Parts: sequence; C-alpha cells; structure tokens
Amino acid sequence: EVQLVETGGDLVQPGESLRLSCAASGFTFSSFSMTWVRQSPGKGLEWLSYMTSSTNTVAYADSVRGRFTISRDNAKNSLFLQMNSLRAEDTGVYYCARLNRKLRDAFDIWGPGTMVTVSS
Amino acid sequence: EIVLTQSPATLSLSPGERATLSCRASQSISRYLAWYQHKPGQAPRLLIYDVFNRATGVPARFSGGGSGTDFTLTISSLEPEDFAVYYCHQRFNWAGLTFGGGTKVEIK
Repeated sequence: EVQLVETGGDLVQPGESLRLSCAASGFTFSSFSMTWVRQSPGKGLEWLSYMTSSTNTVAYADSVRGRFTISRDNAKNSLFLQMNSLRAEDTGVYYCARLNRKLRDAFDIWGPGTMVTVSS
Repeated sequence: EIVLTQSPATLSLSPGERATLSCRASQSISRYLAWYQHKPGQAPRLLIYDVFNRATGVPARFSGGGSGTDFTLTISSLEPEDFAVYYCHQRFNWAGLTFGGGTKVEIK
C-alpha cells in the first residue's frame, strides 16, 4: 500500500525548534518530488516547501523561508522539515505529500498529518 | 506569487443538486491546476489534475474545466459524502506553489 506517515508534531514555545518526519512506503521514494503543506486553525491549505527527487532543488513559501529547511534521506525513505524560530502562527496540522510528475505534479498521496502547536 | 481566488466561499446545497465551484488565477497558469477535497480530520484528497483529468477512483460526477485563468469544478449531483471543503492549486510557478482559499460545500 502506498502510504505517507508524518511524525514529530508537538507543543512547543515560541522561538523553539521542531523537526517533522514523513515516512514513505509502498513506492520508490527516491523517484518522487515531495512537499510539505499545512493547515492552520480556521484557515485553508498553505503550501510550505518542496524538494525534487533527483536534483534536490528546493523552494519555500515566503512565510517560512529562512526558518524552515526541507531535506530527505532516500535510503531511509524519509522526508524531513526542520522548523526553527517557531511562531504562534506556525500552529497547525502539517502534511507531507507526493508530487506525481505523471499527473502534472499534482499532490496525489498525502499523509494523515501531524499537529504542531506553538504556544507559551 | 500567483494568487488563486475561489468563489463562492460557501455553497449551501441539498443532496442531488449540482455544485459549481470557481477558481480564478491572477495570471495564466496553462494547465497546471488541480482540485482537492478536504474533510475534517482527514488528509486532503486529489480529485482533478491537469484541469480536467480525474484522479484514480474519483467518481464521474466530479468534472473540471477551464483554461488560462478561469477554472471550474463541477459536481453534477451531490452525494452526502461530497460535503467538504474544496481547494484549487497551481504548480505553474515552481518558485511559489499556491492554493486557493477554499470553497466549503455545506448541506442546506
């Protein structure tokens, strides 16, 4: 079964750091670009970052550039999001998703999400 | 940044009715548009990619259309499980992928 599972969500204080992980299974992880998306309470989906499969090209949304870092370990079928200098507005459910080139890079597989709460 | 504007914000309809959701892009995005369904407590689900292609397992009552800057998602006859929030998404601009603000389809 093709699957993504996020872990690492927690309650942290403003200014602290957190690292999210996304474990992939059921497909050749190294062949796909991957992305992180979040949903803050009461808001819509917000794209955060992606990393390509082969060239490791990355991009970030303005809201997280300079604070968040995406990375991957193809040998361990894992995607990561290092989040530094966390703010209250970073609170939300964080999803990892797979980009499928055959579907014009639509996000075809999503994990169930992991909750991040930033509060003092 | 390419801005996607979805309308209406909320659509109140009854089961069996037709739903038409709109997504307007601030500039042409060719065919790099997808639609997702999102229910509370669940992962988003890909419905439509490449403007009008249904993803695997998506019922035929869902259809996408449009071109350039104006796109639509149509649900021909609403089923109880279709009441959810729907988002359009563009990946035309690799430097900044964006989602629309969403349209909530609620039971009237």
